[in-house]
Amino acid sequence: DIQMTQSPSSVSASVGDRVTITCRASQDISNWLAWYQHKPGKAPKLLIYGASTLQSGVPSRFRGSGSGTDFTLTISSLQPEDFATYYCQQADASPPPTFGGGTKVDIK
Amino acid sequence: EVHLVESGGGLVQPGGSLRLACAASEFTFSNYWMHWVRQAPGEGLEWVARINGGGTTRNYAASVKGRFTISRDNAKSTLYLQMNTLKAEDTAIYYCARDLGVLGNYGDPWGQGTLVTVSS
Repeated sequence: DIQMTQSPSSVSASVGDRVTITCRASQDISNWLAWYQHKPGKAPKLLIYGASTLQSGVPSRFRGSGSGTDFTLTISSLQPEDFATYYCQQADASPPPTFGGGTKVDIK
Repeated sequence: EVHLVESGGGLVQPGGSLRLACAASEFTFSNYWMHWVRQAPGEGLEWVARINGGGTTRNYAASVKGRFTISRDNAKSTLYLQMNTLKAEDTAIYYCARDLGVLGNYGDPWGQGTLVTVSS
């Protein structure tokens, strides 16, 4: 299976900060990469697919980039509703989907 | 609005069985792949299984293969996960997710989840 490694595992930030989360795949996954937001007690929410395509309804302050093995999720100006845990997921059709370990974004 | 509601979770003893259901509404259920994903307490997300729209193709995570069976009833717009020989490490919130419908395995949207606790 493809291993996904996220960093950092947690980050403390303030409203208005720029936050960057990275995700590294153990092998080339082209752009088969998704980012999800997950809040406690809620359903996970798809933010970005295809490494950089913003899902409908997701604010433009979320941006995904990268290809191959290295990917980045950037929140340009953190809002109160963005405090959550973020997961990357490799989405290649053939090997089983696998998730990164998650990055918890909390209030500084 | 697409709606997914999981049910069937609960407390079960090790070695026991449980069947989860995911009721879908407001979309043509048979047109979509569907997924089960779980989250153990204090852990991250783990993909469990997926099934194509016709129910003819199923894939499983290595951790559940041979013990869990994913299935669907398109007439009832319902997805199932039959879980047998349950272990303590199967304790988790189980989410169903509709596939996004583009190439690749992207889940959107997801249900709220149902809690499965395996304990004696």
